Amino acid sequence: GQNIDQPTEMTATEGAIVQINCTYQTSGFNGLFWYQQHAGEAPTFLSYNVLDGLEEKGRFSSFLSRSKGYSYLLLKELQMKDSASYLCAVRGSPAGTALIFGKGTTLSVSS
Amino acid sequence: EAGVVQSPRYKIIEKKQPVAFWCNPISGHNTLYWYRQNLGQGPELLIRYENEEAVDDSQLPKDRFSAERLKGVDSTLKIQPAELGDSAVYLCASSLGYGTDTQYFGPGTRLTVL
Repeated sequence: GQNIDQPTEMTATEGAIVQINCTYQTSGFNGLFWYQQHAGEAPTFLSYNVLDGLEEKGRFSSFLSRSKGYSYLLLKELQMKDSASYLCAVRGSPAGTALIFGKGTTLSVSS
Repeated sequence: EAGVVQSPRYKIIEKKQPVAFWCNPISGHNTLYWYRQNLGQGPELLIRYENEEAVDDSQLPKDRFSAERLKGVDSTLKIQPAELGDSAVYLCASSLGYGTDTQYFGPGTRLTVL
């Protein structure tokens, strides 16, 4: 079967660092995506990993370990506007197929 | 560059009524996806188009759902008749296609079936 697990909820304070973990078991692997989704809005693309290692993009970084079926999204210098749901999604095989999404992690940032 | 456009944004109907959603993908994007997102869940694929061809519709409940993508651009998703369990957000996404590229989502249509 195909399964993507991520924590349901997380809380943090402004200026802090938070790490959102994602583990996956899928038939085939052609990349892992992180999306941000504010309540009532569309998911917006944050990051993409297909090779092992860390990808950094401003305050956001994403890490992938294919052998462990594990990824994390790291958010630094948290701001109130980072309060949102963060979706981990895996593209299985063959390449070009649709994404399989986790249920999302709701992050609440407080002052 | 304009993003993925969807309409309507909200729709409230009574059960057994028909409903249709429209999507205009990003210009030049060959691949179009329809996803359904239930409350507290991640999006789940309903159908994927490569140009005008439906290449993955295994998750589409074909007894009541239908979709088309005429001329390989705009797409319409229809439900007839709607059931209470169809209440969800219907998301359209598009990508350049033919490879490991990023999908971009529209704002979605929030359907409520009473």
